[in-house]
Amino acid sequence: NAGVTQTPKFQVLKTGQSMTLQCAQDMNHEYMSWYRQDPGMGLRLIHYSVGAGITDQGEVPNGYNVSRSTTEDFPLRLLSAAPSQTSVYFCASRLGGRQETQYFGPGTRLLVL
Amino acid sequence: GENVEQHPSTLSVQEGDSAVIKCTYSDSASNYFPWYKQELGKRPQLIIDIRSNVGEKKDQRIAVTLNKTAKHFSLHITETQPEDSAVYFCAASIGSTASKLTFGTGTRLQVTL
Repeated sequence: NAGVTQTPKFQVLKTGQSMTLQCAQDMNHEYMSWYRQDPGMGLRLIHYSVGAGITDQGEVPNGYNVSRSTTEDFPLRLLSAAPSQTSVYFCASRLGGRQETQYFGPGTRLLVL
Repeated sequence: GENVEQHPSTLSVQEGDSAVIKCTYSDSASNYFPWYKQELGKRPQLIIDIRSNVGEKKDQRIAVTLNKTAKHFSLHITETQPEDSAVYFCAASIGSTASKLTFGTGTRLQVTL
């Protein structure tokens, strides 16, 4: 199993551009989440999904959209990038039910100029 | 919503000494408390977790204690080694929504020779 994968590893955007961060898992996990990590602030939840077709907002959802059309994929869309969205983005997944352990992807480093 | 505070922000210990990192949480409904280790440039990785029906859990040199009354939980690392040097994050969530982790701001542990 590849586990949780993310692409790209690094991206530079100009203010106002849009892009999609990709996340995929091959563990048949029911739950998937997106976090952003900023210096001194830990990880903060952006959006999460409890299954295909079901998504909900986390702590910092503004400026981001998600969809979950398949169990495997959970892309994060930045509609109009802003410098405040410069961060490291981590996708995570967990099996569900009583299995609470979350597994993180390798991260995407995003720089918005 | 949940708020997790973590102390200290940095911790330096000599090899072989013990290290203790403390966290407090605000939501009494939280019942799942994982600890993650993150090495520089890498993804967070789960090292130990505890659920609210347990007061203490050990795994070799690592232990976590939970005081639900005081809403405190702590990570204890004994016989520290240089490879323990990393940033450690505590987190909390309500078990049924364990994808919605609220993280502390992290502790940078440095183990010196």
